Amino acid sequence: DIQMTQSPSSVSASVGDRVTITCRASQGIGIWLAWYQQKPGEAPRVLIQRATNLQSGVPSRFSGSVSGTDFTLTISSLQPEDFASYYCQQANSFPLTFGGGTKVEIK
Amino acid sequence: QMNLQESGPGLVRPSETLSLTCTVSGGSIDVHYCNWIRQSPGRGLEWIGYIYYDGSTKFNPSLKTRITMSVDRSENQFSLKVNSVAAADTAVYYCATSKGLQFYGLDVWGHGTSVTVSS
Repeated sequence: DIQMTQSPSSVSASVGDRVTITCRASQGIGIWLAWYQQKPGEAPRVLIQRATNLQSGVPSRFSGSVSGTDFTLTISSLQPEDFASYYCQQANSFPLTFGGGTKVEIK
Repeated sequence: QMNLQESGPGLVRPSETLSLTCTVSGGSIDVHYCNWIRQSPGRGLEWIGYIYYDGSTKFNPSLKTRITMSVDRSENQFSLKVNSVAAADTAVYYCATSKGLQFYGLDVWGHGTSVTVSS
């Protein structure tokens, strides 16, 4: 199985801050990575597919990038509705696997 | 807009079979990958497997020997069975669909249903 190592596990930030979350794959997965946001009591929702492609309806303050096996989710200016948990998921091979998650908390 | 709703018992006895159904509305499951994912504090998000609308399947090897999936296109539903459950199977179970797992990710999710395995 491909292991997805996500960091940090939590981050405290203020509204307006720039937040960066990283995910490292245990082997090459090309661009086949998605990012999800999950709020308490809700299902995850996809933000980005194919490492950099913004899902329709997702604000442009979210962006994704890739360098080798390292993937980054950036929130350029944190908004109150962005306090949530974020997960990466590789779609290169089965079984699909998720990162451990990053909780973005209010500072 | 496609909507998914999981249904099934919230409590299952150890060694018995967990059965869940995902009912899809607002769109057809045709040409969709119908996935099951579970989430627990100890295991995080875990992909269980998918059934394609044509009935073909792909399962997580960690669960492969204990799971069965089926699809009913006429009812726009798909189902999951996990047999010989244990406490480690306690989780929130989600169904999720995708037109293409690589291109689109898991782009439509149900709200999730909590399942506890306990006597």
